[in-house]
Amino acid sequence: DTAVSQTPKYLVTQMGNDKSIKCEQNLGHDTMYWYKQDSKKFLKIMFSYNNKELIINETVPNRFSPKSPDKAHLNLHINSLELGDSAVYFCASSQLLQAPYNEQFFGPGTRLTVL
Amino acid sequence: QKEVEQDPGPLSVPEGAIVSLNCTYSNSAFQYFMWYRQYSRKGPELLMYTYSSGNKEDGRFTAQVDKSSKYISLFIRDSQPSDSATYLCAMSASGSNYKLTFGKGTLLTVNP
Repeated sequence: DTAVSQTPKYLVTQMGNDKSIKCEQNLGHDTMYWYKQDSKKFLKIMFSYNNKELIINETVPNRFSPKSPDKAHLNLHINSLELGDSAVYFCASSQLLQAPYNEQFFGPGTRLTVL
Repeated sequence: QKEVEQDPGPLSVPEGAIVSLNCTYSNSAFQYFMWYRQYSRKGPELLMYTYSSGNKEDGRFTAQVDKSSKYISLFIRDSQPSDSATYLCAMSASGSNYKLTFGKGTLLTVNP
């Protein structure tokens, strides 16, 4: 019974392609996130959705577009992939107002390699 | 200056050692302080949290926050090989949609 799942786990693609990563959580949380972790392990937030509404939108190229069809799903579409997009992308979820420290539960990550 | 600074290590210690991991930060609005642990090729998981200044203990782990110095620490007593992981500090401020700002993580290896 996976809490936060992502597909695919690995993604290898050519520069210029468009790709999507999917995320689903079965924890009943109201908030979901996308993070990018670069080769130096630096974890940086990209987007956050609360009840399908975008609440955090960091400085990210507009080639990245998140979509939340419902509270349990948050997908990430990337257009015109570039070499610098190679990273591990983590999805996470939390119940935003349940605990002030906002414990986030992370998925296993999607390792994206752009050639 | 980055909002959160963390020495990336790597840090290698013998089993049973006391480990000290630290972060400094510049944003005085941060009130919630967390430590996440990330095993290789896995997602981070919450290890400990503290609110504002003070200490918190949980088994072999102790988290300390000194808001006056903008400095937080995680101590691991009697370290075990299973503690080998990357440790990331994370912080948030109220009114920011509780956005987490992470440090770069410290890679810890505990040798048997």
